Amino acid sequence: GAVVSQHPSRVICKSGTSVKIECRSLDFQATTMFWYRQFPKQSLMLMATSNEGSKATYEQGVEKDKFLINHASLTLSTLTVTSAHPEDSSFYICSARRTKNTEAFFGQGTRLTVV
Amino acid sequence: AQKITQTQPGMFVQEKEAVTLDCTYDTSDQSYGLFWYKQPSSGEMIFLIYQGSYDEQNATEGRYSLNFQKARKSANLVISASQLGDSAMYFCAMRLNTGFQKLVFGTGTRLLVSP
Repeated sequence: GAVVSQHPSRVICKSGTSVKIECRSLDFQATTMFWYRQFPKQSLMLMATSNEGSKATYEQGVEKDKFLINHASLTLSTLTVTSAHPEDSSFYICSARRTKNTEAFFGQGTRLTVV
Repeated sequence: AQKITQTQPGMFVQEKEAVTLDCTYDTSDQSYGLFWYKQPSSGEMIFLIYQGSYDEQNATEGRYSLNFQKARKSANLVISASQLGDSAMYFCAMRLNTGFQKLVFGTGTRLLVSP
């Protein structure tokens, strides 16, 4: 399968600071990337769908000003958690796919802890 | 709207035995795909098996098979000859073949394989 790399795998930040998470498709061009959040012992919840060159589409209840998503190239999407608070501590995971009707591949995930 | 239901929060199985993880789904769309993923404690999402709504035969991938019953809207995962390394969270997911083709996940089942 194709490779999606997510960086960093773990990050600890202070409350009030911003954190950027990168999602890269290493061996294919991804027209669409998805960002999920997973709280402990819970399922993956879709936060937003990101299409290259256009604004991300956020799911209901997800604050677009807090979770900034940029998909500037066909191999990179970034999620920036702005003014992070302890309640933003979670596991964030991305997935990427070449085109519609193709499989989406997942990154390794990023465990964010806000202290 | 699409919904995935996994009613088993936890399952236990002995090594070398088979186990069935339940998944039911709800959608009014005719074209969709069903997926199963394994998530070990490291957090990565490992793709196991896929079933398209128009596929007439049940999908199989090695020790994994998907028992697809379209009329009952169920897509149970069968793992044969369980191994200790199968202990993990298992998520059922559905993708509608319209719109952004987002993946919607169930709540997951934690499988524990004992020696």
